[in-house]
Amino acid sequence: DAKTTQPPSMDCAEGRAANLPCNHSTISGNEYVYWYRQIHSQGPQYIIHGLKNNETNEMASLIITEDRKSSTLILPHATLRDTAVYYCIVARGSARQLTFGSGTQLTVLP
Amino acid sequence: DTEVTQTPKHLVMGMTNKKSLKCEQHMGHRAMYWYKQKAKKPPELMFVYSYEKLSINESVPSRFSPECPNSSLLNLHLHALQPEDSALYLCASRFGSGTSGVPEDTQYFGPGTRLTVL
Repeated sequence: DAKTTQPPSMDCAEGRAANLPCNHSTISGNEYVYWYRQIHSQGPQYIIHGLKNNETNEMASLIITEDRKSSTLILPHATLRDTAVYYCIVARGSARQLTFGSGTQLTVLP
Repeated sequence: DTEVTQTPKHLVMGMTNKKSLKCEQHMGHRAMYWYKQKAKKPPELMFVYSYEKLSINESVPSRFSPECPNSSLLNLHLHALQPEDSALYLCASRFGSGTSGVPEDTQYFGPGTRLTVL
């Protein structure tokens, strides 16, 4: 299984960019990296995913290193509502099972 | 629309009760999932249904019985649960195209059912 490693917690000032790192050094060549977040007691919310190119959508940007062993999720202008646990996941198997790690608790400070 | 609905939102049951959790999606997704999430822990996969057939059972005790009556509906039948089964039960669905990474291959989660077993 391609496991991921994330820092347990991070703080970010409101209005600043939040950069959340993830290590996935055992990722296979055809496995995608997905990012989800979970606000307290709600279902996980999909943010973005990528294979090897950098990706951007209306929520965030995803930067994947050339060797694909790590990635960074960027929230360009963090707001208080972005406070959540952020999970970096490598989807595996034919059913694209998501094996959640411990995630990063991001706290956006006013 | 990427909505997965789950009912009920909250459920309290005794150890001798039989209850069911319901999950519904109308996105045409053909893969559906049950996850269990204990407090302050990440979600853990329980079951996967693909095209209405059970494809993965992550060694879940038989007191949890999944059912997929049609492509839009997923149930989780509960019987003789233990207090340690108290958790947030999450349902998710995915298009199931078999092609990793295409937008429709993303799993979308419902809000969950908060289960308390007394």
